Amino acid sequence: SAVISQKPSRDICQRGTSLTIQCQVDSQVTMMFWYRQQPGQSLTLIATANQGSEATYESGFVIDKFPISRPNLTFSTLTVSNMSPEDSSIYLCSVESGIRDEKLFFGSGTQLSVL
Amino acid sequence: GDSVTQMEGPVTLSEEAFLTINCTYTATGYPSLFWYVQYPGEGLQLLLKATKADDKGSNKGFEATYRKETTSFHLEKGSVQVSDSAVYFCALSQAGTALIFGKGTTLSVSS
Repeated sequence: SAVISQKPSRDICQRGTSLTIQCQVDSQVTMMFWYRQQPGQSLTLIATANQGSEATYESGFVIDKFPISRPNLTFSTLTVSNMSPEDSSIYLCSVESGIRDEKLFFGSGTQLSVL
Repeated sequence: GDSVTQMEGPVTLSEEAFLTINCTYTATGYPSLFWYVQYPGEGLQLLLKATKADDKGSNKGFEATYRKETTSFHLEKGSVQVSDSAVYFCALSQAGTALIFGKGTTLSVSS
């Protein structure tokens, strides 16, 4: 199983600022994903973080708002830019090893509150 | 595109009652199916999974069977406990793609 360290675990930010969330995995993984869980809602995929190339964003999410880096097979960052109160959510990193039967693992999440 | 539909909550049960949370999916090909659980104040945890038709996933007394003919993956438990109170998410994944989640079902068990 993969162990995922995500930080910060929580933060309170001012409107208009940006926050970068880090996701570190203890082993090399093929696929890394970023999700958002808004209060009382399900998880929505933001993007797939691709190693060595630009992230693949889902409908409704854009690179200018959620820039993502994936410099290697164990690390990724998600930045929430120019934040507004509507960005208050839990942001989760998820990984898959690439083997079909492997479990999909989640980080503990970053709880973001924007004032 | 692929999608997951699960029953609306909240589901409120007494301890030792039988639990069923319905989940159906729409997908091309042969996805893997999952149930995740989120206990109050905690992160998401994998509860069980099934990767092909007629597979039964099981864990902690919970079971779900991958039914391709009805495109379903209903979660069941014979006797729920107060500690089972949580939000349950049904999800699917195709090889090499991210999980697609249902909206979640809140289960509340009282003693």
